[in-house]
Amino acid sequence: GESVGLHLPTLSVQEGDNSIINCAYSNSASDYFIWYKQESGKGPQFIIDIRSNMDKRQGQRVTVLLNKTVKHLSLQIAATQPGDSAVYFCAEITYGGSQGNLIFGKGTKLSVKP
Amino acid sequence: EADIYQTPRYLVIGTGKKITLECSQTMGHDKMYWYQQDPGMELHLIHYSYGVNSTEKGDLSSESTVSRIRTEHFPLTLESARPSHTSQYLCASSEMGRANTGELFFGEGSRLTVL
Repeated sequence: GESVGLHLPTLSVQEGDNSIINCAYSNSASDYFIWYKQESGKGPQFIIDIRSNMDKRQGQRVTVLLNKTVKHLSLQIAATQPGDSAVYFCAEITYGGSQGNLIFGKGTKLSVKP
Repeated sequence: EADIYQTPRYLVIGTGKKITLECSQTMGHDKMYWYQQDPGMELHLIHYSYGVNSTEKGDLSSESTVSRIRTEHFPLTLESARPSHTSQYLCASSEMGRANTGELFFGEGSRLTVL
């Protein structure tokens, strides 16, 4: 499954399919971008980060892509599992901006159908 | 599993009461944070600290206050709670070096309801 548009509040995918969660950002001076996963009733959990001078970074079953030309960040989850159901937040850090603290975007709720 | 703990997890109180939300971490992290999150919404930074005796206000104005007397402890206090304070409060910590890359460890949150 793939989200349509720059931001989709909810995304529903079939178990085993790949998921793509998108995020648009506005600050071209951002230094780091991060994806967090928040399960129901829990605090956010760090998934993966990417430095602004990179365009792709891979982790275990997850890949983050950064397109600075259009200020777009995406998180790809391979072979989505029921345990991936959560709200996913993108965040950015700008050194020297906001005292170098994380700025969170709006989340996307991922639901995985068995 | 992150070693950062928040109490209480849930609190329902009446208007005008004083409350303190506790946050403790056993990772020895210098930097600690408090975020406010309404259901299904993004997180907003309300307070942070670089270490003992350091407290700073975040991007979102808040009537709460914080203190940092010990490295591991970062409590948040509301002197007189109001219904507008109803929200979830998330505490987080990070190593100073890793804070630059946005790797924070979050507690499970304190959900506050003010009647």
